[in-house]
Amino acid sequence: QVQLVQSGAAVKRPGASVMVSCKTSGYTFTGFYIHWVRQAPGQGLDWMGRVNPDTGGTNYAQTFQGRVTMTRDTSITTAYMELNMLTSDDTAVYYCARGEISSNFDFWGPGTPVTVSS
Amino acid sequence: SYELTQPPSVSVSPGQTATITCSGDALPKQYGFWYQQKPGQAPVMVIYKDTKRPSGIPERFSGSSSGTTVTLTINGVQAEDEADYYCQSSDRSDTLVLFGGGTKLTVL
Repeated sequence: QVQLVQSGAAVKRPGASVMVSCKTSGYTFTGFYIHWVRQAPGQGLDWMGRVNPDTGGTNYAQTFQGRVTMTRDTSITTAYMELNMLTSDDTAVYYCARGEISSNFDFWGPGTPVTVSS
Repeated sequence: SYELTQPPSVSVSPGQTATITCSGDALPKQYGFWYQQKPGQAPVMVIYKDTKRPSGIPERFSGSSSGTTVTLTINGVQAEDEADYYCQSSDRSDTLVLFGGGTKLTVL
């Protein structure tokens, strides 16, 4: 069965970086995009960007351009999202989701809480 | 910039029909998708490509599309349907992913 398993919760200082991993199984890793979506406390879903596991190509939402990097390791069917220069506004739950190029997010990871606090 | 607009909240009594709309200029060209999110849980897709229901989603969930609006309908609402619902689509070039602001469904 399809599974997306994310790394555990993180607490970071302002200005630091965080990397969240998304280990996939149960399907052909290179056949679907991995998207990253975050949700601040009490807020809605905010798309951050996507990585094409087949080519490594990425597209980022303008809000995160220059601050986010999405990568993948096909040998271990895992995708990564690194966010730099953290501020308290980055406190959120970060989700990875399997999907097509811009939609159809049929499987989601459980989410990774990231807290940014001094 | 392109946006998807949903009502912030909808309230219905058990057994009634809940209707949640989502409006966006690109919707005549792009499919709409609906996700249900319960507190502390990841979103779950309940409708894809405007009208299709994934396996395992109850038949009381249905979707429709007309012009710039897609609609999620829940017939015979049950207490377990209380959740936040998000519509999702993309821009005309199929490059950017967009989520609506979410609608909180309250079952009275």
